[in-house]
Amino acid sequence: KAGVTQTPRYLIKTRGQQVTLSCSPISGHRSVSWYQQTPGQGLQFLFEYFSETQRNKGNFPGRFSGRQFSNSRSEMNVSTLELGDSALYLCASSWDRGPSPLHFGNGTRLTVT
Amino acid sequence: DAKTTQPTSMDCAEGRAANLPCNHSTISGNEYVYWYRQIHSQGPQYIIHGLKNNETNEMASLIITEDRKSSTLILPHATLRDTAVYYCIVRVADDGGATNKLIFGTGTLLAVQP
Repeated sequence: KAGVTQTPRYLIKTRGQQVTLSCSPISGHRSVSWYQQTPGQGLQFLFEYFSETQRNKGNFPGRFSGRQFSNSRSEMNVSTLELGDSALYLCASSWDRGPSPLHFGNGTRLTVT
Repeated sequence: DAKTTQPTSMDCAEGRAANLPCNHSTISGNEYVYWYRQIHSQGPQYIIHGLKNNETNEMASLIITEDRKSSTLILPHATLRDTAVYYCIVRVADDGGATNKLIFGTGTLLAVQP
């Protein structure tokens, strides 16, 4: 069974640009969550989507947004990039019910110059 | 803030058991304990989870104290590839669903020495 797939693996952007990251969950998983990991702040929750609806949101500015498609695939977008947005962006998927764990992809490494 | 506390770092000799402790003194009745590990530049890898009984799988064992205020992850025969940051997380999960807003602490850096 394929794991969570994130593309691209690495990305370099310039301040002020926007970026879109993609996540394909494990087959059958309908919940997709996004996390940001930086050396200073560690792993922080961005948002969660289920059945194409945002179900939960972390404490990030509105420049960070996401969406989920009918096939459960998800994208996140960051507009007007800042240097501080340089991070590893991780996607995780899970079944919706009970204690089944989240499974993470290997992330997209975004560098903003 | 994270609801768990873990030592910042630990060493273990290759081939020996690695015992990683975690305190979660404010855990609620519907919160499970989960362990993940992260090897540099990869995503967190799920290891094991439990509610109140001890659990074992092919990767590790999880021992939860009777009062559920602490737990220990045991890697029975550590190898160099087990060197990673280990995260202990509590997560609400019941018949009504589960929260996927995980709160990660700083974890324990386990260094397995040859």
